[in-house]
Amino acid sequence: DAGVIQSPRHEVTEMGQEVTLRCKPISGHNSLFWYRQTMMRGLELLIYFNNNVPIDDSGMPEDRFSAKMPNASFSTLKIQPSEPRDSAVYFCASSILAGGPYNEQFFGPGTRLTVL
Amino acid sequence: GENVEQHPSTLSVQEGDSAVIKCTYSDSASNYFPWYKQELGKRPQLIIDIRSNVGEKKDQRIAVTLNKTAKHFSLHITETQPEDSAVYFCALSGYGNKLVFGAGTILRVKS
Repeated sequence: DAGVIQSPRHEVTEMGQEVTLRCKPISGHNSLFWYRQTMMRGLELLIYFNNNVPIDDSGMPEDRFSAKMPNASFSTLKIQPSEPRDSAVYFCASSILAGGPYNEQFFGPGTRLTVL
Repeated sequence: GENVEQHPSTLSVQEGDSAVIKCTYSDSASNYFPWYKQELGKRPQLIIDIRSNVGEKKDQRIAVTLNKTAKHFSLHITETQPEDSAVYFCALSGYGNKLVFGAGTILRVKS
């Protein structure tokens, strides 16, 4: 099993540019989570999907952020326009939503985003 | 809503000693309590979890205890080793499969 796959692993961009982060969950997992990690704010949940449907996007900081999950094996997190304060490590995680809800979340390697 | 406070923020122990990290929460509906370990530059990984119908769970040198009445749960690491040095996050869930994470504890094991 390849685990959760994220791309790119590193992204450096200039303020105002559009940034798209990509995630492929573990095959068979039907819940997908996007997190942002910074020293100041720790690990924050931005949005999560169950069966490709967004369930809770209350953590999305503002309208510049959007996320989609067009099918069970792919999700994107887009920032447009990007700002320096968006610099962080963005993690994607997936889990199985079956029976009881308390299943392990498997994290991807993360995308380190730097906005200059 | 769910909220969790984690203490201490940093912890330094001598190799072989024990380490304890504590988390407190306010929502009595919380019923799943995992702990994640994140090594420098790596992803968070689950090391142990406990559900609300259990008071304690052990896995080799790692144990977690839960006090639902007092609304706190703790991670215990015995016989610490240098490879235990990492950031440890507690988390909890009460509604669906959404996790709320604590702020993290930087554990340094000195050899």
